[in-house]
Amino acid sequence: GAGVSQSPRYKVAKRGQDVALRCDPISGHVSLFWYQQALGQGPEFLTYFQNEAQLDKSGLPSDRFFAERPEGSVSTLKIQRTQQEDSAVYLCASSTSGRPQQEQFFGPGTRLTVL
Amino acid sequence: GENVEQHPSTLSVQEGDSAVIKCTYSDSASNYFPWYKQELGKRPQLIIDIRSNVGEKKDQRIAVTLNKTAKHFSLHITETQPEDSAVYFCAARGGGNKLTFGTGTQLKVEL
Repeated sequence: GAGVSQSPRYKVAKRGQDVALRCDPISGHVSLFWYQQALGQGPEFLTYFQNEAQLDKSGLPSDRFFAERPEGSVSTLKIQRTQQEDSAVYLCASSTSGRPQQEQFFGPGTRLTVL
Repeated sequence: GENVEQHPSTLSVQEGDSAVIKCTYSDSASNYFPWYKQELGKRPQLIIDIRSNVGEKKDQRIAVTLNKTAKHFSLHITETQPEDSAVYFCAARGGGNKLTFGTGTQLKVEL
């Protein structure tokens, strides 16, 4: 079956522009996560949804970052007034349930470059 | 919050040798420890995981050990092959559902 998909795969933005990154989780997966991966680093947690509820947004670096999952399926990560330090790969992951210790399946990521 | 440290940052081995990557974590409540392999430009893929009620788990050439008292866990790859070359990340999950990742180990298997 289809895995986690993300779009666009690459995004170039001028500093100050707003961007929206999309994640399509595996069908039926309850949990959805967003991570930010800087070059040469491990993924860092941004936010977590269980169905449409955003249960943890402690990793969002500033109020310029906003995520939503209105129908409990597709999720969008929005970054307003992008800055150069926002340049990174944004990874989405999903898992089957809200129970801990469930494997997270990752998407291919969106590489954001802010000029 | 949880803090995960990973060593070494780079590791070069000859084909057929073993490779060992070590991680430590800080949150004693962490109970799930996955290892991901990430090839250049690709998504992280789970290769093995271990839960806190188990001390060791093996899957063919890959094994993971967990020492909860010392708060460290290790990845062991035996009979390494060129296709094992990649970046490997350890991670830990604590009280919430989020994963905290290590900084990665670039493994290079030389012919």
